[in-house]
Amino acid sequence: AQSVTQLDSQVPVFEEAPVELRCNYSSSVSVYLFWYVQYPNQGLQLLLKYLSGSTLVESINGFEAEFNKSQTSFHLRKPSVHISDTAEYFCAVSRPGFQKLVFGTGTRLLVSP
Amino acid sequence: GAGVSQSPSNKVTEKGKDVELRCDPISGHTALYWYRQSLGQGLEFLIYFQGNSAPDKSGLPSDRFSAERTGGSVSTLTIQRTQQEDSAVYLCASSLGPSGSADTQYFGPGTRLTVL
Repeated sequence: AQSVTQLDSQVPVFEEAPVELRCNYSSSVSVYLFWYVQYPNQGLQLLLKYLSGSTLVESINGFEAEFNKSQTSFHLRKPSVHISDTAEYFCAVSRPGFQKLVFGTGTRLLVSP
Repeated sequence: GAGVSQSPSNKVTEKGKDVELRCDPISGHTALYWYRQSLGQGLEFLIYFQGNSAPDKSGLPSDRFSAERTGGSVSTLTIQRTQQEDSAVYLCASSLGPSGSADTQYFGPGTRLTVL
């Protein structure tokens, strides 16, 4: 079975500072990896995903995540955050051939001026 | 285009009552999923449909929970004899399918269920 650990429940950061949200997974087989974001009073939206190939994946709004197989990690980073990035971020895994997503407990990113 | 819609947005019920939650997936999406988001358990998978069939029901927590999908579109999640621990936000998602777990799942806004 797969599992996901998000080590930080909450990350406060000032606007324009860099941020890293940590995600580690456990699986005995290959996995697909996802980051979803939930803005206040909105539904979950896909931010980015890793399926195969280049280990660095990017989103359209400046976030990036790097798949590290040896460390079983998929940390999310942004070099300079905005107030509008305030949201809850969920890391998730799925196993090829199995449709369900297994989510971490989420990290609340709080960006202040 | 229209996203995944769910109804009702909020449901308050008394312990022991039955409830039905509805999900309308994105048009053309053959795969549909139900998840539950609660304070104690985080986001949990409940059930997956491909067309009208449910090849994975592994996340349904008890036999009080059931779901069906008709016409390859709308899905209904039914909870019988609700308990207070059923209080949660129930999320529906859909994806193009059936190409597998690499598909992006698009989530609806959820139904907040409160069992008094």
